[in-house]
Amino acid sequence: AQTVTQSQPEMSVQEAETVTLSCTYDTSESNYYLFWYKQPPSRQMILVIRQEAYKQQNATENRFSVNFQKAAKSFSLKISDSQLGDTAMYFCAFMKPSNNNDMRFGAGTRLTVKP
Amino acid sequence: DTGVSQNPRHKITKRGQNVTFRCDPISEHNRLYWYRQTLGQGPEFLTYFQNEAQLEKSRLLSDRFSAERPKGSFSTLEIQRTEQGDSAMYLCASSLDTRGGEQYFGPGTRLTVT
Repeated sequence: AQTVTQSQPEMSVQEAETVTLSCTYDTSESNYYLFWYKQPPSRQMILVIRQEAYKQQNATENRFSVNFQKAAKSFSLKISDSQLGDTAMYFCAFMKPSNNNDMRFGAGTRLTVKP
Repeated sequence: DTGVSQNPRHKITKRGQNVTFRCDPISEHNRLYWYRQTLGQGPEFLTYFQNEAQLEKSRLLSDRFSAERPKGSFSTLEIQRTEQGDSAMYLCASSLDTRGGEQYFGPGTRLTVT
C-alpha cells in the first residue's frame, strides 16, 4: 500500500519569505502522480500543483514549485514570496495510475504566514 | 458551473439516527469520489463512482454506509445507525475520466454525532 508522510505538523513563515514543506511517500510503482492541495480555514481544498512521476522536470505554478526526487521518494513544496492568503493546511497526495484515480493523502502541514 | 457543491454543510445528529448527505459534482465530470476527513488528518478514500457505477469501496466503508449515484449525476452518502466515531468531515470530489486527473473538491459536510 502507498503511504504518504508529512513530517511537519505546523510551520510558520514571515510574509514575503520562502518556506518549504516536506513530503515523502512509499511505493513500488514506477509511474504515478503527486499533488499538493491547499485547504484554507473553513474553505474547500484546491489543487496547488501536480507532478507526473515520469517527468524529470519539477513542476512550477507561479510562486509555487516542487522539488521532486524520485529515487528518494521525496516531493517538497516551495512557496516563494509568501502571502497572508497562503495560510492554510497543505496536503501532499499520491495517486497511482489505476483506473480509479484514488488518492492517498498525508496528514497535512498547517502553514501560518505572519505579517 | 460553480464547482462541486455539498449539502448540508453541517449536520448534528444523535447516535443511532440515520443521515444522508448530497454531492453535486461539476456537470461534465463523470467520476465522483467520497472521502472522510477527521481532525488533524488528511482525507481518506471511501468510495468512487464512474458515471452511475460504484466501482470501488474502501474497507473504511462499513455496512452502515451506502452511497448511490443515480443517473450518473448527483450522489448521496447515507450513514445508518450513526455512531460517535462517524463524526468527521465528509468530502466529495469529482474529476474528468482521465488518468491522473485533478480532483475538484466540494466544501464538505461536517457531521457531529452526539
